[in-house]
Amino acid sequence: EDKVVQSPLSLVVHEGDTVTLNCSYEVTNFRSLLWYKQEKKAPTFLFMLTSSGIEKKSGRLSSILDKKELFSILNITATQTGDSAIYLCASALGGGGADGLTFGKGTHLIIQP
Amino acid sequence: DVKVTQSSRYLVKRTGEKVFLECVQDMDHENMFWYRQDPGLGLRLIYFSYDVKMKEKGDIPEGYSVSREKKERFSLILESASTNQTSMYLCASSLRIGRGYTFGSGTRLTVV
Repeated sequence: EDKVVQSPLSLVVHEGDTVTLNCSYEVTNFRSLLWYKQEKKAPTFLFMLTSSGIEKKSGRLSSILDKKELFSILNITATQTGDSAIYLCASALGGGGADGLTFGKGTHLIIQP
Repeated sequence: DVKVTQSSRYLVKRTGEKVFLECVQDMDHENMFWYRQDPGLGLRLIYFSYDVKMKEKGDIPEGYSVSREKKERFSLILESASTNQTSMYLCASSLRIGRGYTFGSGTRLTVV
């Protein structure tokens, strides 16, 4: 059974801290790993990672994939209260058909002023 | 920007009712998905569709059915709503597998 596990499940830090969110996966036909941020209703797309060792960056956020060890991390530097959200990791499968995404349960990040 | 629109933000239905959740996307995406999101369980795939009139079961299809008569519209149907189907329902679409998905803003369904 395909599995995506995120840790920690929740995290409270102070503004300005740097955080690292973890995502490990066990899936067959792995194609890519995606990170989403969910603030209110719907998740919004952050990164898609397909290749090992290549860091993707967007402002203060960055992410990297290790396909040998089957995990990914999401880093947020100089955190702000607006970074408070649930961060979701998902694996996308290859093969025929759409197959959907397998999501982890998310990390609830709270940034205190 | 692709837009995924879910017709209702909040719904309250009675046990046993037939419930339709509608989702429309405007970017000609092949693939559409229905998820439900529950505290402590994360996002779980109910059904997906990779073409008109095509559908595949996801992880938790029991109690649900879907309809994709047109490419832009993917409907989730609760044949006989039950209280354990109270949840947040999210629709998503994508151009290709493995690409970033775009989600609708969700429908909070309460079954009483």
